[in-house]
Amino acid sequence: DAGVIQSPRHEVTEMGQEVTLRCKPISGHNSLFWYRQTMMRGLELLIYFNNNVPIDDSGMPEDRFSAKMPNASFSTLKIQPSEPRDSAVYFCASSLPIGQADTQYFGPGTRLTVL
Amino acid sequence: DAKTTQPPSMDCAEGRAANLPCNHSTISGNEYVYWYRQIHSQGPQYIIHGLKNNETNEMASLIITEDRKSSTLILPHATLRDTAVYYCIVRGGSQGNLIFGKGTKLSVKP
Repeated sequence: DAGVIQSPRHEVTEMGQEVTLRCKPISGHNSLFWYRQTMMRGLELLIYFNNNVPIDDSGMPEDRFSAKMPNASFSTLKIQPSEPRDSAVYFCASSLPIGQADTQYFGPGTRLTVL
Repeated sequence: DAKTTQPPSMDCAEGRAANLPCNHSTISGNEYVYWYRQIHSQGPQYIIHGLKNNETNEMASLIITEDRKSSTLILPHATLRDTAVYYCIVRGGSQGNLIFGKGTKLSVKP
């Protein structure tokens, strides 16, 4: 299996621009998670989906952030407009149905720099 | 907030066993102990998890105390490639996400 695929791997943009991060989960996994990692805050959950439905988006910083999962094999995280404080590494993870012993598999991340 | 306490850093000699401790004194009966690691610039990688019994897989062993208030991750023969930040996470079955603390930065030295 190819594992969780994220694109782009690196993104540099200017403040105010729209940024779209993409994730392809592992085939057969029906839970998908978006995390963000910064030096100050460490790894934190932004949102997660179960069967393409958003379950918990309490970690989404503000209305500038939105996430979608139109089908089982694709998800996007959009930031509009982007700000310098959004600079971070964004990870996508997927797992089998949420339960006692499910394991999350992480992608390689997208390193976002907002100038 | 993370429900676990780990030392911020540890060193280990290459080829020796690395024993990483974790305290989780408030763990509930239905909560599992998970271990992940993150090698520099990569996504977190699952290592092992357990509920009550000790567990072993191809990567590591997990020893959970009888009262479940602490655990130890054992890498039996550490290599330089095991240098990473190791996260101990307590998580219940109804909880979807993983809550990462600061972890332990393990440095394996030649």
